[in-house]
Amino acid sequence: EIVLTQSPGTLSLSPGERATLSCRASQSVRTNYLAWYQQKVGQPPRLLIYAASIRATGIPDRFSGSGSGTDFTLTISRLEPEDFAVYYCQQFGDGNSPRYSFGQGTNLEI
Amino acid sequence: EVHLLESGGDLVQPGGSLKLSCAASGFTFISYTMSWIRQAPGKRLEWVAVISGSGDTTYHADSVKGRFIIYRDNSANTVYLHTSSLRADDAAVYYCARVLNGHFEYWGRGTLVSVSS
Repeated sequence: EIVLTQSPGTLSLSPGERATLSCRASQSVRTNYLAWYQQKVGQPPRLLIYAASIRATGIPDRFSGSGSGTDFTLTISRLEPEDFAVYYCQQFGDGNSPRYSFGQGTNLEI
Repeated sequence: EVHLLESGGDLVQPGGSLKLSCAASGFTFISYTMSWIRQAPGKRLEWVAVISGSGDTTYHADSVKGRFIIYRDNSANTVYLHTSSLRADDAAVYYCARVLNGHFEYWGRGTLVSVSS
């Protein structure tokens, strides 16, 4: 099973700044199968990025994803107040049977 | 608009059972793979089970295999998760989600399962 490790655990920034969140996999992830989610307190996760770099419907272009293999990055170019939340990466592996796993999350706080 | 509404969460004793439901609307239900994901308090998200659009193919996480069963009723646009032999570490918010190409496009708001004597 592929283990995803996110860093940092907590990122303290201010509105207007740039945020860079990392997701590292224990084995190579097929690029089509790496996604990022945003979760605010008391809400379900919301899909931001899929296939490592494609923004989901309605996601502002200040969110961007990049990376391949074992190293992936979510970048928020200019933080807005509503961006402060927890962010998770997720991968899908379809070997003998499908397996989905999530990182432990990065808490983006003011 | 895609809408997913979970229900069935409750407080249950260890060893007990619950049936969780997820009612879907706003899309052609049979065309989509559906999944259950859970989140224990303060913990990361954990995938639980997935089912194909026809319902013929299912997979379950090792942590729930043999205790939980995912199934669906396409005539009712609903996916279910039957949980049994519940343990303390099964306590979580259970979300259902629509799956596309290995990611979870849309999520419901979740239903809370508590396990305690």
